Amino acid sequence: DTGVSQNPRHKITKRGQNVTFRCDPISEHNRLYWYRQTLGQGPEFLTYFQNEAQLEKSRLLSDRFSAERPKGSFSTLEIQRTEQGDSAMYLCASSLAKESGGLNQPQHFGDGTRLSIL
Amino acid sequence: LAKTTQPISMDSYEGQEVNITCSHNNIATNDYITWYQQFPSQGPRFIIQGYKTKVTNEVASLFIPADRKSSTLSLPRVSLSDTAVYYCLVGDYGGGFKTIFGAGTRLFVKA
Repeated sequence: DTGVSQNPRHKITKRGQNVTFRCDPISEHNRLYWYRQTLGQGPEFLTYFQNEAQLEKSRLLSDRFSAERPKGSFSTLEIQRTEQGDSAMYLCASSLAKESGGLNQPQHFGDGTRLSIL
Repeated sequence: LAKTTQPISMDSYEGQEVNITCSHNNIATNDYITWYQQFPSQGPRFIIQGYKTKVTNEVASLFIPADRKSSTLSLPRVSLSDTAVYYCLVGDYGGGFKTIFGAGTRLFVKA
């Protein structure tokens, strides 16, 4: 178990540019989540995947945001035409959901990608 | 989804036991209670999870009364390194869900 890995750890970009973040979950985990966290606040849910299917999206996920998990393994989160308000820490988490039911396991988080918009 | 209420901050001294209480009056029958710890510039780390009564692991205990409308995270003999933000979450982990983190409780441990 190497943990959830996120890259890059920091990203600085100019307003209007596109950015893409990558998340590599724990290998046997079938669920993957994206969150956004601003200073002094708890993480806010953005979206989650069960394998390669995106099952739920928050209304926070505007049409400038898109997330993919093409092969059910790693995931990418892209923000197009970045705005000042997009500056935040973007967190990825993964968990193991039992297909046959029963208690699912807690989420394991990466250390995030900190996005700064100039 | 059940909303949670926690104290904004707490202070303690090294070696003391710390109890952080979380209120979740609208908890549903199939909801579990989970606590996470977060240090600056890191992602949240799972501490403990429970459904009812008492759960204990190597780092903490979780006390849940019979009505399940609140829960208490107990950290025995805290150290300076326990200074962090602690989040209480309530949710249905049996199916699709979206996790709601509140603002958490900022614990400051002093020497």
